[in-house]
Amino acid sequence: QSVLTQPPSASGTPGQRVTISCSGSSSNIGSKTVSWYQQLPGTAPKLLIYYTNQRPSGVPDRFSGSKSGTSASLAISGLQSEDEADYYCAAWDDSLNGVVFGGGTKLTVL
Amino acid sequence: EVQLVESGGGSAQPGRSLRLSCSASGFTFGDYAMSWVRQAPGKGLEWVGLIRSKAYGGTTEYAASVKGRVTISRDDSKTIAYLQMNSLKTEDTAVYYCTRNGGHCGGDCYDYWGQGTLVTVSS
Repeated sequence: QSVLTQPPSASGTPGQRVTISCSGSSSNIGSKTVSWYQQLPGTAPKLLIYYTNQRPSGVPDRFSGSKSGTSASLAISGLQSEDEADYYCAAWDDSLNGVVFGGGTKLTVL
Repeated sequence: EVQLVESGGGSAQPGRSLRLSCSASGFTFGDYAMSWVRQAPGKGLEWVGLIRSKAYGGTTEYAASVKGRVTISRDDSKTIAYLQMNSLKTEDTAVYYCTRNGGHCGGDCYDYWGQGTLVTVSS
């Protein structure tokens, strides 16, 4: 059972916009920044979003992050087949004094 | 080019020890905190722990699931981070990733990852 809660799966068709949620609490998302990671099959995770809504250079602007209260979201617009991957949210947790990850969301492009 | 290369993975019996190494290049290693994240087969990511840079005391933090059994250390002269795992349990079986805590996010993100090294704990 992960401290951050993500839906196990999400799907969309090419060109669609999909959103992945990440629910936490006041000790993590509610008071800290959120990062998101993309893990393509058989590869190491890759940083997608940091500081809740910032993209590292090289990450397409189709990816965006946001936060409201104790929940965060990752939105992917103009869905492409290469976006099919697992997505994880993460944040520091003051109560646990460590980083917590969401359980991951498997995105399928139909 | 930033590179993180893990080594030291393999098979071990429950109760034994294993030390993983993360050899870093392409950046000023001593300026960054380093972390270890693991992924059990078919499961999600789990934070293991971190070691801060010497500028921040070189202190460590660990996940509750490994605290007391794991030690993270660093050798800035060799640009290597280590993960010493003792009293291994079968639930420690995972791919272990070495990561760099990104400076542009105040250390609260992992901007580079190694390719991972598999640790299998089994009798």
